[in-house]
Amino acid sequence: QKEVEQNSGPLSVPEGAIASLNCTYSDRGSQSFFWYRQYSGKSPELIMFIYSNGDKEDGRFTAQLNKASQYVSLLIRDSQPSDSATYLCAVNRGSQGNLIFGKGTKLSVKP
Amino acid sequence: GAVVSQHPSWVICKSGTSVKIECRSLDFQATTMFWYRQFPKQSLMLMATSNEGSKATYEQGVEKDKFLINHASLTLSTLTVTSAHPEDSSFYICSASGLAGGPVPDTQYFGPGTRLTVL
Repeated sequence: QKEVEQNSGPLSVPEGAIASLNCTYSDRGSQSFFWYRQYSGKSPELIMFIYSNGDKEDGRFTAQLNKASQYVSLLIRDSQPSDSATYLCAVNRGSQGNLIFGKGTKLSVKP
Repeated sequence: GAVVSQHPSWVICKSGTSVKIECRSLDFQATTMFWYRQFPKQSLMLMATSNEGSKATYEQGVEKDKFLINHASLTLSTLTVTSAHPEDSSFYICSASGLAGGPVPDTQYFGPGTRLTVL
């Protein structure tokens, strides 16, 4: 089983819809969970982090964490074409802050 | 806050030459810096982890003698690609992780990347 798994997509949603991106992880000891956005040809950019079970909202973005199910998700409300990118889920491992990245889900928001 | 810079942003070199890439954390002290490589349409691949003042830890399959990493201070790490060949052409990205009490301790903040083309 891969440490961090994401559906590679592409996930296509119409403008204004809710995009739902999912991620599962294998290490029950993981404590920190991150979502990064990567535009084509650019480096990853941090969108959100979450440590506690439940939801965390920041503008149009909501991260959801369920440690019992080893599942973390990112919801993007009112999706815009500018949200079209690859979204990387990352999970902390170890005391040095090493992150294990999923391979990313490509999101396409159609006008 | 939490800005990481890289220099140069792109470089073209001849086969057999060496190229140095700098990674700097501009507004926080980074105890740990990471170097990644990404080929077109592929996922990030971690090359090595470096802690200030100590030797880098390389991922399996990454040649430490070819990819020299130096992390001399809490704000600067360098990656030197020695005797570069066309197959080393890639997008090299660094990230930095800050001290506890700084910006979200175990978060990695990425530099903008360096695109290397070896002719």
